Amino acid sequence: KNEVEQSPQNLTAQEGEFITINCSYSVGISALHWLQQHPGGGIVSLFMLSSGKKKHGRLIATINIQEKHSSLHITASHPRDSAVYICAVGRQFYFGTGTSLTVIP
Amino acid sequence: DAGVIQSPRHEVTEMGQEVTLRCKPISGHNSLFWYRQTMMRGLELLIYFNNNVPIDDSGMPEDRFSAKMPNASFSTLKIQPSEPRDSAVYFCASSSSGASQPQHFGDGTRLSIL
Repeated sequence: KNEVEQSPQNLTAQEGEFITINCSYSVGISALHWLQQHPGGGIVSLFMLSSGKKKHGRLIATINIQEKHSSLHITASHPRDSAVYICAVGRQFYFGTGTSLTVIP
Repeated sequence: DAGVIQSPRHEVTEMGQEVTLRCKPISGHNSLFWYRQTMMRGLELLIYFNNNVPIDDSGMPEDRFSAKMPNASFSTLKIQPSEPRDSAVYFCASSSSGASQPQHFGDGTRLSIL
């Protein structure tokens, strides 16, 4: 049983495309985190959100608490966005399996 | 601004040996997290501390693993005795307050147990 499901698992896009990564969860949460893991292995926290929507540059994260669903959008994607994007929820930090994104020039 | 500092970056040792991983959180952060990442299981929370006190250690796999935070600027994760299945990347992260704040991750320690 997975508390957090992400889709798609793998995604290849052309530079400039609009990208959406989805995260659905089954546990009650106070906050949801989106993380980015670079090809070199480093992890960066992109967003922490508990309601509504947040925007940072070309990245937008939304969450619907009632539907237990969050999305991460990347506008005007760029090859440097290539990374694994991971959703995490709950005090126990249940992690999704990640979405591997490759943006082709 | 110094981020979360982990040491060593890489560790290769033989099974049965004691392994100690170290973490220095960002100054002023009062929550510290230890994670493990493997290909099979992805990222897993092992333990987290709030104000140097362990709050949730339910992710610690077994008694061979122990973690301490003797003060606000230092934490260790110890494995004794180590086994090949402990091979993974271990990340430390810190935040300003608990699991509902953004976390800052260290670069990780890549551990190989032969």
